[in-house]
Amino acid sequence: GDSVTQMEGPVTLSEEAFLTINCTYTATGYPSLFWYVQYPGEGLQLLLKATKADDKGSNKGFEATYRKETTSFHLEKGSVQVSDSAVYFCALSGPNTGNQFYFGTGTSLTVIP
Amino acid sequence: DVKVTQSSRYLVKRTGEKVFLECVQDMDHENMFWYRQDPGLGLRLIYFSYDVKMKEKGDIPEGYSVSREKKERFSLILESASTNQTSMYLCASRPVARGYTFGSGTRLTVV
Repeated sequence: GDSVTQMEGPVTLSEEAFLTINCTYTATGYPSLFWYVQYPGEGLQLLLKATKADDKGSNKGFEATYRKETTSFHLEKGSVQVSDSAVYFCALSGPNTGNQFYFGTGTSLTVIP
Repeated sequence: DVKVTQSSRYLVKRTGEKVFLECVQDMDHENMFWYRQDPGLGLRLIYFSYDVKMKEKGDIPEGYSVSREKKERFSLILESASTNQTSMYLCASRPVARGYTFGSGTRLTVV
């Protein structure tokens, strides 16, 4: 069935470092791909999305490109801030998943000053 | 902005109690979902509903039931709470073919 695999955490970075969080997917058909972020004590918020191959989603300095050839949707940011400390979830939704999303297990990011 | 409101942020219940978790959305979304979130396991779907009085089992429905009497409200029911149901519970809603909007979550502790 459809699924998402994301890199294990936790990840600890210094402020202004480059961030990559890997996400790969398995799906039949052409799913839409998402990154959600969960700040401490809160629910999940949509960070960015891409709905077809080669689309790039971007928001708040974060980017991810839908790569069909490598079935990947890696999250990147050029210079992280302390306020980016959160848990990041990769997710997919597609023609074979009905109305539901499939989430990765989440990657915890801590940015230290 | 769409708002999804979960009635409690924190709950402590005793083993064997019947527990109700309430979720209300204000944007007339057809689809609503209940997930639980546990460390190392990510989000797991318990139940979802795509219309009033309709419900579908997710990946881990055992020990839970749901109720959707009105479009805006989706309730999760723990028939007899157990300690292994201690978790963060997240409600979400979405219109057809769009992304989820999540509530802030309810952290339930069963003692």
